[in-house]
Amino acid sequence: GAGVSQSPSNKVTEKGKDVELRCDPISGHTALYWYRQSLGQGLEFLIYFQGNSAPDKSGLPSDRFSAERTGGSVSTLTIQRTQQEDSAVYLCASSLLEGGNTEAFFGQGTRLTVV
Amino acid sequence: KNQVEQSPQSLIILEGKNCTLQCNYTVSPFSNLRWYKQDTGRGPVSLTIMTFSENTKSNGRYTATLDADTKQSSLHITASQLSDSASYICVVSAQQAGTALIFGKGTTLSVSS
Repeated sequence: GAGVSQSPSNKVTEKGKDVELRCDPISGHTALYWYRQSLGQGLEFLIYFQGNSAPDKSGLPSDRFSAERTGGSVSTLTIQRTQQEDSAVYLCASSLLEGGNTEAFFGQGTRLTVV
Repeated sequence: KNQVEQSPQSLIILEGKNCTLQCNYTVSPFSNLRWYKQDTGRGPVSLTIMTFSENTKSNGRYTATLDADTKQSSLHITASQLSDSASYICVVSAQQAGTALIFGKGTTLSVSS
């Protein structure tokens, strides 16, 4: 596609359930970022994938959060045993990794509500 | 450690007033800095890019400045409109290929009538 695509756009889940959020980056973009935005918290880094290198998972808030990127393209963020504090907008961005004029392109986000 | 800090975290202004958002960074060696605007319910989109040699750049009522010596950038909005209500995110890129972009947490601007 022409841009970064995220699905679903909205997800309501019951506390304790697992959820999977999907990100389709721009074709050819080697870098992929997951961020989340909570009310009043701003943008919070979760995880970063760069080509075939090991991902930077330093932002994942707990072991209930995991992400993978298959074939260097599509990425899935999984949250197990969801809690109400997981409610947020989850943003995905992708970019080329050529230094210099690299621009991040964002998806529309997935709004997760845990009830 | 490469970091980007934005201030204020949130801001409320009256329609027609001006405001300035700040972005300080410690990314080195610096390549460029982008300001993004994120409307409610949408993904962020690029507003402007500032490279090392640029001090100021305007995009309509938005003017971005960059001081590479102090590692500070600002985004000035003139004669604010209700449609300026959004989150503004600062993202900095380093020169080396393969270096991750560094994102600020953003500033949430609310323009009221």
